[in-house]
Amino acid sequence: GAGVSQTPSNKVTEKGKYVELRCDPISGHTALYWYRQSLGQGPEFLIYFQGTGAADDSGLPNDRFFAVRPEGSVSTLKIQRTERGDSAVYLCASSLISGSYNEQFFGPGTRLTVL
Amino acid sequence: SQQGEEDPQALSIQEGENATMNCSYKTSINNLQWYRQNSGRGLVHLILIRSNEREKHSGRLRVTLDTSKKSSSLLITASRAADTASYFCATDATGIKAAGNKLTFGGGTRVLVKP
Repeated sequence: GAGVSQTPSNKVTEKGKYVELRCDPISGHTALYWYRQSLGQGPEFLIYFQGTGAADDSGLPNDRFFAVRPEGSVSTLKIQRTERGDSAVYLCASSLISGSYNEQFFGPGTRLTVL
Repeated sequence: SQQGEEDPQALSIQEGENATMNCSYKTSINNLQWYRQNSGRGLVHLILIRSNEREKHSGRLRVTLDTSKKSSSLLITASRAADTASYFCATDATGIKAAGNKLTFGGGTRVLVKP
């Protein structure tokens, strides 16, 4: 079956612009996670959805970052007034349900470059 | 911030040799997982070990967990060139309300297996 998909695979934008990154989780997965990975580092948690609601957004770095999941499936990560420091690979993951022993399946990521 | 550190940061071995990498973490956990990442993109889940388990095997992979030392190790036996990748440990912390199972990753070990 289809895995987690993310679009676009690459996004180049200019400082100050607005970007949207999309994640299509595995069908039927209720939990969805966004992570950000800078070069040479491990992924860092941004936000977690259980269904339509953001259950934990403690990883969002500031109020320029926002994410939605209006129908409990596809999620969009939105970044306003992008800065060069936002350049990273943004990874999305989904799991069947939330809980400690459920494997998270990761998408291929979106590489964001802010010039 | 990341949960812990992985050691070594980089590892170069010949095909057929074993590769061992270690992960340390800071807080109490529900479980610890190991992931593989090729070319800085999507993460592939390798193995999950629960906090009440001490050792687990999956094919050529062997994972140990020592909760008293807050550390884990991943052993890849009889390595192949295709094992060349970055390897990350990730922990799922306990005692945090609405944590879901957000993962906290280490910095990764970059493994090069030379043919």
